[in-house]
Amino acid sequence: DVQLLESGGALLQPGGTLRLSCTASGFNFGSYAMSWVRQAPGKGLEWVSAITGSGATTYYADSVKARFTISRDNAKNTLFLQMNSLRAEDTALYFCAKSRVRLPSAFDSWGLGTLVTVSS
Amino acid sequence: DIQLTQSPSFLSASVGDRVTITCRASQGINTYLAWYQQKQGKAPKLLIYSASTLQNGVPSRFSGSGSGTEFTLTISSLQPEDFATYYCQQLDSSLLFTFGPGTKVAVK
Repeated sequence: DVQLLESGGALLQPGGTLRLSCTASGFNFGSYAMSWVRQAPGKGLEWVSAITGSGATTYYADSVKARFTISRDNAKNTLFLQMNSLRAEDTALYFCAKSRVRLPSAFDSWGLGTLVTVSS
Repeated sequence: DIQLTQSPSFLSASVGDRVTITCRASQGINTYLAWYQQKQGKAPKLLIYSASTLQNGVPSRFSGSGSGTEFTLTISSLQPEDFATYYCQQLDSSLLFTFGPGTKVAVK
């Protein structure tokens, strides 16, 4: 079975930095694109960033471009999200999600999420 | 950027009802549209991709249709486990995703 386990969420102040991780198992990790999706408390889903299976190409929502960096280590089956210059509006539950294919596509598996709270 | 709208934003229904949710895109997106179900406190679950393809393991009472700018998700006979929030999602030509604002399906 596919399993995705996010970690690294924390409470931190505006302007801070954080690195989220997502450890994958149950599938050939390097063969699939991966994404981060977030959900602010009581709100809808917001796609944050995606990366192709090889890691060669990355994609970002305008709201996080130049502040967040997505990366992956296929040898360790792990996806990362480096978050810099955090703002209160970045407060959310962050999910990692697996695409159906090597390129970004619909998300057929999701983790349980890790909570990031940005507050002074 | 392509925007998605969903209607209605909220609907109340009874078990056995036929339920239809509409998703509209601000520009044509061919059939690059997916539907997800999210229950309170849980991760989303993929129901439909490519506008009309049922994800493995999803009950056949769920169906999707549409292309271009207008899409629908239909639940043919609502079951107790279907009360949830439903989101559409599009993938544009730049490989950037957008989610719709969601439709909450509640018990009448």
